[in-house]
Amino acid sequence: DVKVTQSSRYLVKRTGEKVFLECVQDMDHENMFWYRQDPGLGLRLIYFSYDVKMKEKGDIPEGYSVSREKKERFSLILESASTNQTSMYLCASSFAGAYEQYFGPGTRLTVT
Amino acid sequence: AQSVTQLDSQVPVFEEAPVELRCNYSSSVSVYLFWYVQYPNQGLQLLLKYLSGSTLVKSINGFEAEFNKSQTSFHLRKPSVHISDTAEYFCAVSDQGDSSYKLIFGSGTRLLVRP
Repeated sequence: DVKVTQSSRYLVKRTGEKVFLECVQDMDHENMFWYRQDPGLGLRLIYFSYDVKMKEKGDIPEGYSVSREKKERFSLILESASTNQTSMYLCASSFAGAYEQYFGPGTRLTVT
Repeated sequence: AQSVTQLDSQVPVFEEAPVELRCNYSSSVSVYLFWYVQYPNQGLQLLLKYLSGSTLVKSINGFEAEFNKSQTSFHLRKPSVHISDTAEYFCAVSDQGDSSYKLIFGSGTRLLVRP
């Protein structure tokens, strides 16, 4: 079974803090994605990566950055957390050339 | 794909009743279509997909969806629901030939099955 793990299920941070969300997949997938999930809005793509050290902006990249130094790991960085970044963050991965994505359990981030 | 619309934010239904969750999309090109399910406190799981071939696709737990190109729809149905089907369901679409393999998701429909 594909396994996508995220470093924390719940996280509470203060406004202005730098926040790192980690995602690791164990299926040698080339593509990795970061989404945020908000009630009534579904999932919105923040960033994605189709190879090590490669990244592409999604629909809502403002306030976020990413890092992919190793194939299995994709990190989402909030440079200076703000209250409007309180959300559920979901990581996903897929093989190159495949449309099916496999999701981690999510990290619920609260910024106070 | 330009957008995905799930008009029903919540669908309450009694156990063993049939259910239909609606999904419409807009796109200027051919698409691939997906339904994902999210059980409480979990990530999303792929429920079923349409890539090509038969327009009626089925999952292992009794759900089915039919791709209707003329109506740009991919509605999800189940003839008899169980309590365990209570979850949030997301419709997603990707443009064929999109080299980024991005998915565009609808806003989700919460299925609430009552005893």
